[in-house]
Amino acid sequence: NAGVMQNPRHLVRRRGQEARLRCSPMKGHSHVYWYRQLPEEGLKFMVYLQKENIIDESGMPKERFSAEFPKEGPSILRIQQVVRGDSAAYFCASSPVAGSGQTQYFGPGTRLLVL
Amino acid sequence: AQTVTQSQPEMSVQEAETVTLSCTYDTSESDYYLFWYKQPPSRQMILVIRQEAYKQQNATENRFSVNFQKAAKSFSLKISDSQLGDAAMYFCAYPSGYALNFGKGTSLLVTP
Repeated sequence: NAGVMQNPRHLVRRRGQEARLRCSPMKGHSHVYWYRQLPEEGLKFMVYLQKENIIDESGMPKERFSAEFPKEGPSILRIQQVVRGDSAAYFCASSPVAGSGQTQYFGPGTRLLVL
Repeated sequence: AQTVTQSQPEMSVQEAETVTLSCTYDTSESDYYLFWYKQPPSRQMILVIRQEAYKQQNATENRFSVNFQKAAKSFSLKISDSQLGDAAMYFCAYPSGYALNFGKGTSLLVTP
């Protein structure tokens, strides 16, 4: 049973470009969470999605960031017009059901570097 | 705001010895879960152990165990018989709604 898959593992963008990060949850999981980790920090929640729905985006910056989880295909975290402060590791996690007691299984992360 | 505090930025342990990583949290809920995740140099986040707050018994997974003190809102991780492969960042996490709130982590160094 494959774990959570993320690609690319490393992404380099110049300021002003767009970054697209992909996440395929574990088989049988329909709940996806995105987190951001800045250097020397813990993970910070960004957004929680179920298939075709954004449930909680309270941690998502209001501008330039968007997320989707279509009926078919991976979840996408999109960052438009990237700035140097967007450089971070972005982690996706999935769970089979939602709830505060559910274990979230993490992918290997995407390291975004903005030049 | 609910917070998770890890007061030890770095810890060191000798191989085969025991080390305890501390974590405190703040919540007004009575029933909840707590997690410890490990992040090795590969930076993959790996679940180490999970504790259900309503259970009196401390969770154990092989060499990893917790000391859960609900009244004190303390959730420490004990690693017995430390191995070189245990070297990593360790994060304590507490669920808030759908999200996990993570502490800032403790970097564990294991020396031969």
